[in-house]
Amino acid sequence: AQKVTQAQTEISVVEKEDVTLDCVYETRDTTYYLFWYKQPPSGELVFLIRRNSFDEQNEISGRYSWNFQKSTSSFNFTITASQVVDSAVYFCALSAYTGKLIFGQGTTLQVKP
Amino acid sequence: EAQVTQNPRYLITVTGKKLTVTCSQNMNHEYMSWYRQDPGLGLRQIYYSMNVEVTDKGDVPEGYKVSRKEKRNFPLILESPSPNQTSLYFCASSPPGVAGVYEQFFGPGTRLTVL
Repeated sequence: AQKVTQAQTEISVVEKEDVTLDCVYETRDTTYYLFWYKQPPSGELVFLIRRNSFDEQNEISGRYSWNFQKSTSSFNFTITASQVVDSAVYFCALSAYTGKLIFGQGTTLQVKP
Repeated sequence: EAQVTQNPRYLITVTGKKLTVTCSQNMNHEYMSWYRQDPGLGLRQIYYSMNVEVTDKGDVPEGYKVSRKEKRNFPLILESPSPNQTSLYFCASSPPGVAGVYEQFFGPGTRLTVL
């Protein structure tokens, strides 16, 4: 069975701090995809990144970076120099070729000025 | 504008009164899916559809029905709603290709309260 665990329910940081959101997944599939989505206070879900299981290269996009490690089944997300606008709920998700998408419980990030 | 629309956005109803939440996308996506979001549980998939006339159960299909008669529409039907179906519901669609493995575009959400 597939499972995604985001053990951090809530994180609070002060603006400009770096913060890492953890994501651990379980799957027996050899081909799978991992995602991060952001849900700001306005409620919409915003796609951030997709990574397939064969590409373990870390990715950086501005202040955001992602660390994918198959050895530990983790796909962690780091925000550098956090800003108040980063305050949101962040979801990690897993999908194989089955059409199913499994989300983690979400991590609520609060960035204080 | 490329988008996924859901209607209604807010709904308060009573136990047992059948309701339908509509979902429509204008991006010609083959894959569509419904999720419910509950505090502490994240998003859980209810049903998904790889293409017209093809639907499959997600993790929490009990109490829900779907149909996919047209590519653009994927309504969610609650035949006899119960209070435990009070939740925030999201519809999503995904570009053509292998279903579920591409970025999903989400609708704005429907907040349903069943009294």
